[in-house]
Amino acid sequence: NAGVTQTPKFQVLKTGQSMTLQCAQDMNHNSMYWYRQDPGMGLRLIYYSASEGTTDKGEVPNGYNVSRLNKREFSLRLESAAPSQTSVYFCASSPGQGTVNTEAFFGQGTRLTVV
Amino acid sequence: LAKTTQPISMDSYEGQEVNITCSHNNIATNDYITWYQQFPSQGPRFIIQGYKTKVTNEVASLFIPADRKSSTLSLPRVSLSDTAVYYCLVGNDYKLSFGAGTTVTVRA
Repeated sequence: NAGVTQTPKFQVLKTGQSMTLQCAQDMNHNSMYWYRQDPGMGLRLIYYSASEGTTDKGEVPNGYNVSRLNKREFSLRLESAAPSQTSVYFCASSPGQGTVNTEAFFGQGTRLTVV
Repeated sequence: LAKTTQPISMDSYEGQEVNITCSHNNIATNDYITWYQQFPSQGPRFIIQGYKTKVTNEVASLFIPADRKSSTLSLPRVSLSDTAVYYCLVGNDYKLSFGAGTTVTVRA
C-alpha cells in the first residue's frame, strides 16, 4: 500500500527554471494538499484541493500553481523558480468527508534547492 | 481557524510521561483538536484527534477540558524514538494549518 507518493525526492533548479512536483495517492481520498517547510519551521499551506475539480489558495500561494488532475493526482508547479522557494515540499491527502477533517497522510517530501 | 499556542520545546527522559499543552482560546463549536508527530526528514504523522473529554489510543491520550480552550497530549513512558516535533491543530474544515509545533527531546 503506497499511500502518498511524491516525485521527485530531490531537485536542484537554477533561478528562473520551471518544474512540476508530482503527487499521487491511492487511498481514494477527496482532499489533497501541498505544504512547504523551511528549516526549523512548521509547515505552511501553499494550496489545497477539497475535492476533485476544486483548488484553493493557502497561506503562501504566490509563485505556485496547482492542478488537480483527477482524484488521485495533485501537482504543484513553479513557473519561475526563485532562491526563496528553496524548501522541503510535502504533499498530503485526507478523506475529507463530512465536516470533520480526519487523519491526513503525508508523502516523504521533495527537497528542492534553487540556486 | 483557531490560533494555537504550544511550548517551543520540552525535554524528558526515557520512561517518563510527557504532557504537551496547547492553548486555543478562540476554538469554535464545530472545531476538532488534532495532533501530529513529525520526525526529521519525514512528513507529519497523525497521532490522535478529539472533540471533548478524553480520547486514548495505542500511542497517546488527549485530554480536553469542558471549556475546550486548551488540550493536553500525553505520551506515556517515552523512549528515545519519541524525539520529534508535535503539532496541535484546531479546525473543522479541509484546511490543515500547522504552527511551529513543540520539539520534544527524549534523553537516555
